Amino acid sequence: EDQVTQSPEALRLQEGESSSLNCSYTVSGLRGLFWYRQDPGKGPEFLFTLYSAGEEKEKERLKATLTKKESFLHITAPKPEDSATYLCAVQARNSGGGADGLTFGKGTHLIIQP
Amino acid sequence: DSGVTQTPKHLITATGQRVTLRCSPRSGDLSVYWYQQSLDQGLQFLIQYYNGEERAKGNILERFSAQQFPDLHSELNLSSLELGDSALYFCASSPSGGSNYGYTFGSGTRLTVV
Repeated sequence: EDQVTQSPEALRLQEGESSSLNCSYTVSGLRGLFWYRQDPGKGPEFLFTLYSAGEEKEKERLKATLTKKESFLHITAPKPEDSATYLCAVQARNSGGGADGLTFGKGTHLIIQP
Repeated sequence: DSGVTQTPKHLITATGQRVTLRCSPRSGDLSVYWYQQSLDQGLQFLIQYYNGEERAKGNILERFSAQQFPDLHSELNLSSLELGDSALYFCASSPSGGSNYGYTFGSGTRLTVV
């Protein structure tokens, strides 16, 4: 069974204080690892897809990296508007050669204080 | 606005009742996915349709069913509702069966069973 564990569950940072969020996963045949941002009462917003170990992607103050067992979301010099819940998800290859639905972690609730 | 439209936004109903949630995917997207988000379980994949056909199934209860119509909109039917079915239900869409660009989520339907 595919599993995704995110840590920490919650993180409070000062504005400008860089940090990393962790996503550990086990999956039978990784098709892709996804990062989403979710604001309260809204649907998840797509950030990145990573496909293979060693891959990195960046968007503004966010950088996602991938190894064979985990992914990190690095947040550099965060601003209050970066406050949100960050979700990690994996997609496995199914037996038919296609892709299953996403298996999500429970998220990291990030608060950036001014 | 993500381009994925879900109606209604809120729904309150009694135990034992049946409800239908509706989703219109982003223009051009052929796949529709349904997810359930509860406080204790996080986001759980329910079912995927691609161009009118069921493509993948997750943790969907037998009391729940879905379909995708020729105009590509989808409906999720929940019957014999229980208190534990109270949750946010999200629809997501993507251009194909899997996506290099992530899945675009709607803003969700909040279901409350009383």
